[in-house]
Amino acid sequence: ELKVEQNPLFLSMQEGKNYTIYCNYSTTSDRLYWYRQDPGKSLESLFVLLSNGAVKQEGRLMASLDTKARLSTLHITAAVHDLSATYFCAVDVTSGTYKYIFGTGTRLKVLA
Amino acid sequence: EPEVTQTPSHQVTQMGQEVILRCVPISNHLYFYWYRQILGQKVEFLVSFYNNEISEKSEIFDDQFSVERPDGSNFTLKIRSTKLEDSAMYFCASRTRGTGELFFGEGSRLTVL
Repeated sequence: ELKVEQNPLFLSMQEGKNYTIYCNYSTTSDRLYWYRQDPGKSLESLFVLLSNGAVKQEGRLMASLDTKARLSTLHITAAVHDLSATYFCAVDVTSGTYKYIFGTGTRLKVLA
Repeated sequence: EPEVTQTPSHQVTQMGQEVILRCVPISNHLYFYWYRQILGQKVEFLVSFYNNEISEKSEIFDDQFSVERPDGSNFTLKIRSTKLEDSAMYFCASRTRGTGELFFGEGSRLTVL
């Protein structure tokens, strides 16, 4: 059974600190996506990672993909309160097919 | 900017009643999806739809569920006889053939009493 696991599940951090969220998956895939969800809201696309070694950065967030290790990371640099949200990774089960499995989610709270 | 729209935003129904959730995907998208999320927890895949037929479905998507694209714009999810455990937020998503990036609607919250 395909598993997509994130850790930590909950993360409380101080503003200005750095931290990394990990996404491990159990199947072969070279496509991985990161989404942000605010409470009661929809899922907003953050990053699209389409190959081994892909790295994308937007503001204080940077995502990377290692398909050999079946691992993606979402690194937060100098966190600010506005980054408080739940972050999900999603794996395209096999390239170009029709099923995306979401990770367990990481609830991030940035304390002022 | 094009967006996925969903109606209703919130529906309350009695157990055993039929519910139809509606979605209008982004106009040039070819692949359509339904996901559900219970109480802000995990985002669960229900079904994908391409070329006017179901491409993949999960174990959750049993005979009580059906999807339809009745015209060129709408994509619907029907639950024939709702159960208490169907209470959730249902998200519609669509994508093009390229990067595979999913674009989500705002969701329809279903409450089954």
